[in-house]
Amino acid sequence: EIVLTQSPATLSLSPGERATLSCRASQSVSSYLAWYQQKPGQAPRLLIYDASSRATGIPARFSGSGSGTDFTLIISSLEPEDFAVYYCQQRSNWWTFGQGTKVEIK
Amino acid sequence: EVQLVQSGAEVKKPGESLKISCKVSGYSFTFYWIGWVRQMPGKGLEWMAMIYPGDSETRYGPSFQGQVTISADKSISTAYLQWSSLKASDTAMYYCARVSPGGGDFDYWGQGTLVTVSS
Repeated sequence: EIVLTQSPATLSLSPGERATLSCRASQSVSSYLAWYQQKPGQAPRLLIYDASSRATGIPARFSGSGSGTDFTLIISSLEPEDFAVYYCQQRSNWWTFGQGTKVEIK
Repeated sequence: EVQLVQSGAEVKKPGESLKISCKVSGYSFTFYWIGWVRQMPGKGLEWMAMIYPGDSETRYGPSFQGQVTISADKSISTAYLQWSSLKASDTAMYYCARVSPGGGDFDYWGQGTLVTVSS
């Protein structure tokens, strides 16, 4: 099973700041990596697929990069609605999720 | 508009059986994989299983093989997840989600079904 490790566990930032989230895979997943956002009491929402492609309706402030084992999600300027938990997910070998990064208001 | 609407919250006792549902609309149910994802209280997401309604091919995550059964009824565009004997550790929120065309990402999600197992 491919293990995805996200860091940091919690990111404390202010609105307008840049958020950088990391996801590392235990073995190469090529570009088969997605990012999701989950707010309290809501289902997850797909943000990024294939490492760097934005899903339908996702604002341009969200961007993804990486391939192989190291991936990054960047939120260029945090809006109030961006404070949430973010998960990465791979589909290279079965499907697994990372443990999540919580982006909280500082 | 693509929609996945899940059945309501359930409260069960250990040992009881349960079947939860996910009714889809807005796209052709037969041609997309549908998966189930577990989220235990305060925890992260875990992929459990998925099914291709067109031919009922199924795949199960290693931790869930033998623990749950996934099925689908094409006539009513509904996917199911069932347990034959619930445990307290099955207490969780369960989400169904459509697998994106040509990929393995979950592009549309149901609202979740909370299952509580307690004596």
